Amino acid sequence: GQQLNQSPQSMFIQEGEDVSMNCTSSSIFNTWLWYKQDPGEGPVLLIALYKAGELTSNGRLTAQFGITRKDSFLNISASIPSDVGIYFCAGQLLGSWGKLQFGAGTQVVVTP
Amino acid sequence: DVKVTQSSRYLVKRTGEKVFLECVQDMDHENMFWYRQDPGLGLRLIYFSYDVKMKEKGDIPEGYSVSREKKERFSLILESASTNQTSMYLCASSATGTANEKLFFGSGTQLSVL
Repeated sequence: GQQLNQSPQSMFIQEGEDVSMNCTSSSIFNTWLWYKQDPGEGPVLLIALYKAGELTSNGRLTAQFGITRKDSFLNISASIPSDVGIYFCAGQLLGSWGKLQFGAGTQVVVTP
Repeated sequence: DVKVTQSSRYLVKRTGEKVFLECVQDMDHENMFWYRQDPGLGLRLIYFSYDVKMKEKGDIPEGYSVSREKKERFSLILESASTNQTSMYLCASSATGTANEKLFFGSGTQLSVL
């Protein structure tokens, strides 16, 4: 499958800090999505992006679909303890019908 | 509340055993998927199905097979388990049409092959 490069691999942050992570690829994606996995659970969809340049928010989360269609960014503002988990980017290639390529994930740890 | 249910949270099997992982969804979704999750590798697609009795290979199908006899149920089969199949297995489903990229995941099955 296509390679999605997600960084950073892990982050240790203090409560109240902002968090940024990104995903890049050599391929052009039709759709970018961001999922969060809580400990012991399956991933849950946070944000879906469909157009180049699109900026979408979900509460304290903001994600952007890169202009080149080869990257995406997720920002979390004013982190709280429940933000802990693994965040995955996922991309859907044009015509790949529901099949997603996932990044390796960013482990976020929030300390009080 | 929508739900994807995986039959086992933890499984321990021996090398060479035949292993069945079961997944059921209650959302009447057409599409179902099996992924495996390994640290540093993210989620990798094993098999998927877009209809009853239909199946397609994903990126890493070797050593696995699947069965979809009913719309709500998608089974992953390890014909002869090996230690390199120790992993977290995640089942997911999605609707057909414009929302097909929005996956709903189960809680996962942690499989250990000894």
